Amino acid sequence: ETGVTQTPRHLVMGMTNKKSLKCEQHLGHNAMYWYKQSAKKPLELMFVYSLEERVENNSVPSRFSPECPNSSHLFLHLHTLQPEDSALYLCASSHGGEETGANVLTFGAGSRLTVL
Amino acid sequence: GQNIDQPTEMTATEGAIVQINCTYQTSGFNGLFWYQQHAGEAPTFLSYNVLDGLEEKGRFSSFLSRSKGYSYLLLKELQMKDSASYLCAVRDSNYQLIWGAGTKLIIKP
Repeated sequence: ETGVTQTPRHLVMGMTNKKSLKCEQHLGHNAMYWYKQSAKKPLELMFVYSLEERVENNSVPSRFSPECPNSSHLFLHLHTLQPEDSALYLCASSHGGEETGANVLTFGAGSRLTVL
Repeated sequence: GQNIDQPTEMTATEGAIVQINCTYQTSGFNGLFWYQQHAGEAPTFLSYNVLDGLEEKGRFSSFLSRSKGYSYLLLKELQMKDSASYLCAVRDSNYQLIWGAGTKLIIKP
C-alpha cells in the first residue's frame, strides 16, 4: 500500500456509459494528479490539483471531467468515452505542485479502463 | 520538442548487474527521477538526481551527466523481484515532468 488508493481497479464500460474513478490519499499531501498510462507510451499528465484548485489541464477531451472536493479525494468522471481511451489511469499525490523541490509523486495502483 | 529515450526492454540474469540508460532533450532541467513499476502495481520512487554524479542507495545507484543529457540506473546483485518496468522522468524549466516510455526489465534465473 502506497497511501494512495484507487477504485475501482478494473472497469469495463460501453461508449454511452457514465462512470467515475475515485482516488483517495492518506498522506497529508496537498497536490493530486491524474495520469493516463498506455502500453509502451510515456505517462500522460491529464490534470493537476493544488490546494483543491485545478492548476493544469493538458488539452484533455471534455469527456473526462475531474473533481477535487477536498485535498484527500480526487475523482475522474467519464462520459461517452472512445475505445482509444482504454488505458490505465493513475492517480498520484505530492506535498506541493510540480514546482516544489524534489516533489516526489506517490502513485496509486491505477484503474484499468476498457471501453467497448 | 521534448524527449526522453530509454530502451524498451532488457533481460538480465539473477545475481548479475544491469544498467538502464536514459537520455533526454528537454527545455531546461530541474531534476531527474527514476521510478519502479511492477506489473499491475503503482510506480514507486527510486531516486532523484539534480547534480552530476552518482547517488547510491543499497543495490540501486543512479548517475547523472547534465552536460550529456544522460542518466543511468544501475542495479546490482539482481533478484527475481527486480523484474519490473523502470521509468525515467525529467523536470523541465517549467517544472513539468517529462516521462520516458519505461524499460521493462526481465530477470532470468
